[in-house]
Amino acid sequence: AQSVTQLGSHVSVSEGALVLLRCNYSSSVPPYLFWYVQYPNQGLQLLLKYTSAATLVKGINGFEAEFKKSETSFHLTKPSAHMSDAAEYFCAVSPDDYKLSFGAGTTVTVRA
Amino acid sequence: DVKVTQSSRYLVKRTGEKVFLECVQDMDHENMFWYRQDPGLGLRLIYFSYDVKMKEKGDIPEGYSVSREKKERFSLILESASTNQTSMYLCASAVAGELFFGEGSRLTVL
Repeated sequence: AQSVTQLGSHVSVSEGALVLLRCNYSSSVPPYLFWYVQYPNQGLQLLLKYTSAATLVKGINGFEAEFKKSETSFHLTKPSAHMSDAAEYFCAVSPDDYKLSFGAGTTVTVRA
Repeated sequence: DVKVTQSSRYLVKRTGEKVFLECVQDMDHENMFWYRQDPGLGLRLIYFSYDVKMKEKGDIPEGYSVSREKKERFSLILESASTNQTSMYLCASAVAGELFFGEGSRLTVL
């Protein structure tokens, strides 16, 4: 069985500061890992996806995530936050690139 | 662009009513999903479908059923709505592990 833990339900950052969202997973098999973003009043969209090709994954809008097997982590970062990054972010894990289990989500607020 | 359309953005129903939530995708995807989203709980999978007339239970199927008569349409049915089914419902279709979500249907059961 797979599960995901996102550390911190809310993160507040200043514009231009580093964004760091933490995600730890448990999985009985090598997993597929995802980050999705949900902007206000919209559905979710894929930010990036890890499929074992490379441990550092680059996504859209300047985000990237690093897979660390020893730490069972897949943290999401962006070097410089923009006001448009205010959204809810979800980490997800899947054993088969198909049926995803999502974390509880982290809401990001960006201060001017 | 992939488009997943959920027929109703907002619904208000009474306890005991039968509720239909409709979802249509335009990309010929075989895989479709229904999730519910609740604050602090993230997304939880209700049902999914690999193909027409195929369905599989997700993590929280109790109180729900689904129908997939055509490839592009996946319906979620609440046979007898209850107040604990007040939630945001998200439909998605998928290919190669990427889910494409609709904008959601916010259901309130009074």
